[in-house]
Amino acid sequence: GQSLEQPSEVTAVEGAIVQINCTYQTSGFYGLSWYQQHDGGAPTFLSYNALDGLEETGRFSSFLSRSDSYGYLLLQELQMKDSASYFCALFSGNTGKLIFGQGTTLQVKP
Amino acid sequence: DVKVTQSSRYLVKRTGEKVFLECVQDMDHENMFWYRQDPGLGLRLIYFSYDVKMKEKGDIPEGYSVSREKKERFSLILESASTNQTSMYLCASSERARVYGYTFGSGTRLTVV
Repeated sequence: GQSLEQPSEVTAVEGAIVQINCTYQTSGFYGLSWYQQHDGGAPTFLSYNALDGLEETGRFSSFLSRSDSYGYLLLQELQMKDSASYFCALFSGNTGKLIFGQGTTLQVKP
Repeated sequence: DVKVTQSSRYLVKRTGEKVFLECVQDMDHENMFWYRQDPGLGLRLIYFSYDVKMKEKGDIPEGYSVSREKKERFSLILESASTNQTSMYLCASSERARVYGYTFGSGTRLTVV
């Protein structure tokens, strides 16, 4: 089967950099996605890594290492509005579905 | 702005009732999904559909069924609601060429009493 592990909570201060890790077990997959969900809101797509390495989208970057079964989401210049839950998700292309991790709650403090 | 719309934000039903959760997307997406979200468990896939009248079981299909008669609409059916089906239900859609980038609806908070 497939499984993903993330830390349940991370706390950081405004303006800092924070890294949310995601380790996974799978027999095969196409890539790793990241989603953000504010309290009471819908998850929204942030990024996707099909290949090893770093993908940058503004203040957010996502990294994938297939050899280490590991990825992370990097948030720079943290803002209060970044307080949310962040989910990593494996994309299994042959089934077309995403398998989500349990999510990491990020709390940004002043 | 593209949208996935879920018919109800909050729903309270009695044990044993048949419950219908409706989801409509206006993006002409081929793929549609139903997840449930519970604290500490993340998002778990119930059913998904690649096309009209097609459906596939996800990881937790027991107690649920789905219907996709039109491309834009994907319905989740709880045949006989039970208290352990109290949860947040999220519908999502994606285009075939970009399956990893879901668009989610705002969710339906279902309480079964």
